[in-house]
Amino acid sequence: NAGVMQNPRHLVRRRGQEARLRCSPMKGHSHVYWYRQLPEEGLKFMVYLQKENIIDESGMPKERFSAEFPKEGPSILRIQQVVRGDSAAYFCASSRDRGYNEQFFGPGTRLTVL
Amino acid sequence: QKEVEQDPGPLSVPEGAIVSLNCTYSNSAFQYFMWYRQYSRKGPELLMYTYSSGNKEDGRFTAQVDKSSKYISLFIRDSQPSDSATYLCAMSPYNAGNMLTFGGGTRLMVKP
Repeated sequence: NAGVMQNPRHLVRRRGQEARLRCSPMKGHSHVYWYRQLPEEGLKFMVYLQKENIIDESGMPKERFSAEFPKEGPSILRIQQVVRGDSAAYFCASSRDRGYNEQFFGPGTRLTVL
Repeated sequence: QKEVEQDPGPLSVPEGAIVSLNCTYSNSAFQYFMWYRQYSRKGPELLMYTYSSGNKEDGRFTAQVDKSSKYISLFIRDSQPSDSATYLCAMSPYNAGNMLTFGGGTRLMVKP
């Protein structure tokens, strides 16, 4: 039983570069959530997506951040023109459908911005 | 004030002790309550999932929800060194989508 998969596990970018984080949900799950965990802080919701739809992006910074979940392939969280403050662990979670609040998390991508 | 408050610890206990972890919250709309365990540099692992008030038991773990006090607890019986991790509480409203609001986590250390 494959769980939620995220890649890369570690990503190093210089200021101004783009970061692309990928998430493949668990088999049978069609809902994806992205969370960010800053050092010494809890997990903060960023965005909730279904296939080809953004359901809730209330936690996404207004600029430089975007997310998609195409019909085929993994969900992508894209951060343009990264800054040092973007350094964090980014976690993806998936759930079966909207009626189920049980979210299962991936191992995370640790982004370091130099 | 944060929506969900959790003592960061660390909480240090001897092996075999009963551990009590707690969260308080301010949003009365929260209906679903979860506990996650997170080992260092790993993703959160869902431990317990409860709806509304009451108790739920699963092996050595018991989750309690007291909505009148806006207070939830996780009890770990016969704690083991392998239980050493950060424990995160999370909650969600009934009809507001599936965004989870997390506490900051409590770091637990179980000493052999």
